[in-house]
Amino acid sequence: EAGVAQSPRYKIIEKRQSVAFWCNPISGHATLYWYQQILGQGPKLLIQFQNNGVVDDSQLPKDRFSAERLKGVDSTLKIQPAKLEDSAVYLCASSLPRQESYGYTFGSGTRLTVV
Amino acid sequence: GDSVTQMEGPVTLSEEAFLTINCTYTATGYPSLFWYVQYPGEGLQLLLKATKADDKGSNKGFEATYRKETTSFHLEKGSVQVSDSAVYFCALSDRTYKYIFGTGTRLKVLA
Repeated sequence: EAGVAQSPRYKIIEKRQSVAFWCNPISGHATLYWYQQILGQGPKLLIQFQNNGVVDDSQLPKDRFSAERLKGVDSTLKIQPAKLEDSAVYLCASSLPRQESYGYTFGSGTRLTVV
Repeated sequence: GDSVTQMEGPVTLSEEAFLTINCTYTATGYPSLFWYVQYPGEGLQLLLKATKADDKGSNKGFEATYRKETTSFHLEKGSVQVSDSAVYFCALSDRTYKYIFGTGTRLKVLA
């Protein structure tokens, strides 16, 4: 089966600019996650979707980050405006509902550098 | 809150050496436990998992046993290869299925 697709792979922007990342989960995976992985740290959950509804966005900095998942399939994560500390790898993951305890499938991530 | 603590790296070993990467956790209830591996330039891949106490997860020669009494899930491999060089993350999944990751341990295996 195809994996979780993310694009772009790399992005360099100046601070205060906007950026958007795209994720296409594995077909049939209703649960989708966005994680932020800062260099040298473990991934941190930003937002969790179940179909097109938000389950948990408690750690999403809502003053600058937004995410949507239209039609319960693809998802986009946006940062506006970006700050230097947003430099990180943004990982998308998906899983079948009620199968999360068996592990997620992660995409390769988008590496964002804010200069 | 829940947390995961794993040994700091980097860990440098010679090929065929024995590997242990320590991982301990703090959680309410009974989380599922995971080891993920991240090869350079790639996303995280599930290496192995255990969903209840005393379960042993295994894959590709790696093993880890869910020890509730010591709240640990140490990763072991009897004979490492150069191709095992990567960053290894211990993680737990709470009852809401959110993952909490450790900070990762970089393994470098020398030929």
